[in-house]
Amino acid sequence: EPEVTQTPSHQVTQMGQEVILRCVPISNHLYFYWYRQILGQKVEFLVSFYNNEISEKSEIFDDQFSVERPDGSNFTLKIRSTKLEDSAMYFCASSHGLARAYEQYFGPGTRLTVT
Amino acid sequence: AQSVTQLGSHVSVSEGALVLLRCNYSSSVPPYLFWYVQYPNQGLQLLLKYTSAATLVKGINGFEAEFKKSETSFHLTKPSAHMSDAAEYFCAVSDQGRDDKIIFGKGTRLHILP
Repeated sequence: EPEVTQTPSHQVTQMGQEVILRCVPISNHLYFYWYRQILGQKVEFLVSFYNNEISEKSEIFDDQFSVERPDGSNFTLKIRSTKLEDSAMYFCASSHGLARAYEQYFGPGTRLTVT
Repeated sequence: AQSVTQLGSHVSVSEGALVLLRCNYSSSVPPYLFWYVQYPNQGLQLLLKYTSAATLVKGINGFEAEFKKSETSFHLTKPSAHMSDAAEYFCAVSDQGRDDKIIFGKGTRLHILP
């Protein structure tokens, strides 16, 4: 069964450093998403992406964040200058988008630790 | 704005007993509703979804949920709990838009007592 994959599974970085989290969505999916989950808190929407542009972003997704689909398979989230409060689990998701039941498939997540 | 409220951050049930996890939603339009499960150190797995068809929705692993518009509820149930059901469960809502974001509740951790 096709699945969303994410790398790395765990990333440790120092405050102020840039990080890139990588995702490979399911191959025929058209919509891509990033969510994050701070430890002990709920999963929060960050951004959605369709047709090579951002569809919607939350107030969390400020100028420090960017997303890109550099080739036909990868979908990346970049944090330009990490802060301690960026420490969280980051989930990528994708959906087919052509049926009414727009089911989002989630990856296993990348745990980002900012020290 | 859409939101979901999950009642109880922790629920404990005995193995073999009924599981009931409560979720109430708020939405200005007919919603899509979901239950996701997260096992320790894993990602989010879809248990079931409501998409305006049948109000009683059956999912994987014996779980089901009933959409009750009058009560704005979408509670998750399973007749007989199994030890492997121990996990975090998230209720979620989205609009019927094609690429709409999913709004998650705070989650309920289900503990199964032997």
